[in-house]
Amino acid sequence: AQSVAQPEDQVNVAEGNPLTVKCTYSVSGNPYLFWYVQYPNRGLQFLLKYITGDNLVKGSYGFEAEFNKSQTSFHLKKPSALVSDSALYFCAVRDGRGGGADGLTFGKGTHLIIQP
Amino acid sequence: GAVVSQHPSRVICKSGTSVKIECRSLDFQATTMFWYRQFPKQSLMLMATSNEGSKATYEQGVEKDKFLINHASLTLSTLTVTSAHPEDSSFYICSASAGGGTGELFFGEGSRLTVL
Repeated sequence: AQSVAQPEDQVNVAEGNPLTVKCTYSVSGNPYLFWYVQYPNRGLQFLLKYITGDNLVKGSYGFEAEFNKSQTSFHLKKPSALVSDSALYFCAVRDGRGGGADGLTFGKGTHLIIQP
Repeated sequence: GAVVSQHPSRVICKSGTSVKIECRSLDFQATTMFWYRQFPKQSLMLMATSNEGSKATYEQGVEKDKFLINHASLTLSTLTVTSAHPEDSSFYICSASAGGGTGELFFGEGSRLTVL
């Protein structure tokens, strides 16, 4: 079985400061890892993914994430936070052996609040 | 990126009636679609996997007679909440996979169902 842990319900960051949203995962095979963002009463928007290759993945809106196999982590980062980054962020994983036909397993989500 | 359209975005119905929610992939063929349910301030719970031309696969604890899923074409899946009750009120989100093995999902904007 696969699982995702987002240990923080909420992260507060001052505008302009760097931000980190934490995510750890557990899968049997090679992990396919994703970050999505959700604004109120909206669907999920894709930010970035790690499938293979470079451990540092760059995505939309200036976000990036670093895959760390030894720590089974995939933390989301941004060098300088914007107030508009305030939203609910979900980390998700699927087992790479699944062949593309499996639903993702999501973490519980982390509310990111950027204070002006 | 690929676009998934979900309709209606909001629906209010009386207890005992049935409600249909549509999920369409607009610019790609989706061999697999997924239906999620999201409770307030919680993560997405996978309800079922919908494969074109075959019966949906439901997750444990999801009533297949309550939540009817039809995936009659490569661009359309529907979720019908039958004999809805207030406890069925929730935010329902669909997603679609274009295949290819990486598992990236494209999400609809969600449908807010309120059962009176």
